[in-house]
Amino acid sequence: DAKTTQPNSMESNEEEPVHLPCNHSTISGTDYIHWYRQLPSQGPEYVIHGLTSNVNNRMASLAIAEDRKSSTLILHRATLRDAAVYYCILRGNNNDMRFGAGTRLTVKP
Amino acid sequence: GAVVSQHPSWVICKSGTSVKIECRSLDFQATTMFWYRQFPKQSLMLMATSNEGSKATYEQGVEKDKFLINHASLTLSTLTVTSAHPEDSSFYICSALGNSNQPQHFGDGTRLSIL
Repeated sequence: DAKTTQPNSMESNEEEPVHLPCNHSTISGTDYIHWYRQLPSQGPEYVIHGLTSNVNNRMASLAIAEDRKSSTLILHRATLRDAAVYYCILRGNNNDMRFGAGTRLTVKP
Repeated sequence: GAVVSQHPSWVICKSGTSVKIECRSLDFQATTMFWYRQFPKQSLMLMATSNEGSKATYEQGVEKDKFLINHASLTLSTLTVTSAHPEDSSFYICSALGNSNQPQHFGDGTRLSIL
């Protein structure tokens, strides 16, 4: 399975934008890029996903590099409730997802 | 939005007991369900994939006789940890997938503590 690489941790100030990077240099043509986040003692929450084009939803934006070897999750205005571990995952044709270590986002008031 | 319910939320039991965890998709039919395990301060590890009406596919290193998975209907999958021991204590999380164009949705997990 293709793997992803993310920074272990990032910090942001409240109400500022946050850009969470993810590298996936071995991505295949049919892999979708999925982002989830996890709060302590909870299951992961779906954030956004995309294939080639940039995507926007009510939670975030996903910017995908033209060569698809990297992507960036953008939280436009971080709130304290956005503090979580963010996972970037590739999902292929068999639909299973394998989680990496993720990025622990800390939001400072 | 899609909701996946997991029950129980937490369970404490004695070593040697078998424990059953239920995962239900409440507002969609889940053709595929996934079971994960998460140890403290670690990421989720995929244990097995189950398709409705067929045998589960287990990841390498996961004992299928230890972790029994049943996916008898499109809205319910169960994971039974048989003869649980303290090393089986973990956070078990399920996810459900309707069709392949949709994201997986996760339950809130079951914290299992074996004494």
